[in-house]
Amino acid sequence: EAGVAQSPRYKIIEKRQSVAFWCNPISGHATLYWYQQILGQGPKLLIQFQNNGVVDDSQLPKDRFSAERLKGVDSTLKIQPAKLEDSAVYLCASSLTGVTNEKLFFGSGTQLSVL
Amino acid sequence: KNQVEQSPQSLIILEGKNCTLQCNYTVSPFSNLRWYKQDTGRGPVSLTIMTFSENTKSNGRYTATLDADTKQSSLHITASQLSDSASYICVVSADNAGNMLTFGGGTRLMVKP
Repeated sequence: EAGVAQSPRYKIIEKRQSVAFWCNPISGHATLYWYQQILGQGPKLLIQFQNNGVVDDSQLPKDRFSAERLKGVDSTLKIQPAKLEDSAVYLCASSLTGVTNEKLFFGSGTQLSVL
Repeated sequence: KNQVEQSPQSLIILEGKNCTLQCNYTVSPFSNLRWYKQDTGRGPVSLTIMTFSENTKSNGRYTATLDADTKQSSLHITASQLSDSASYICVVSADNAGNMLTFGGGTRLMVKP
């Protein structure tokens, strides 16, 4: 079974530039999550989708971050404009239905460096 | 505020030795507690998931315990191997709709030959 696919693996940009990350969840998984993981910390949820609808985006900095999952399958996360403090690993995860107690499957992440 | 605290922050042990990682949480109402292993440059991989009624769960050389009364969990690694070098993250889910997870900061384990 293919896992959660993310691209690119690494991205280096200058502050104030724009960047986009892509995620393709495990086939059939209705729930998709984007997490931000700063070095040495645990992941922090940015946004959770259920199919193509947003379940939780309370911690998404909406002035600069946006995400979409138009057809309920793959998703993109965009940052515009980027700040130095956005340097982190952006992890995508998926689960089958999104109910409590369900296992999450993570991708390998995109490591973003903002210079 | 829901919080998950892990200790120690980092740990170095010799190959073949055992170790125990700790997790304290204040998530309420509690639904389940998970331990993840995260290799450098990779996403977290689930090791165990325990609900309120479970106080121990094993996955090979990994054994997790849960004390829901004291809101503490531990992850015990037996006969450590070099491949156990990774970050171990404790994650707690609140008993509400959906997978709302609170992540700990992780314990970084290094196993030396």
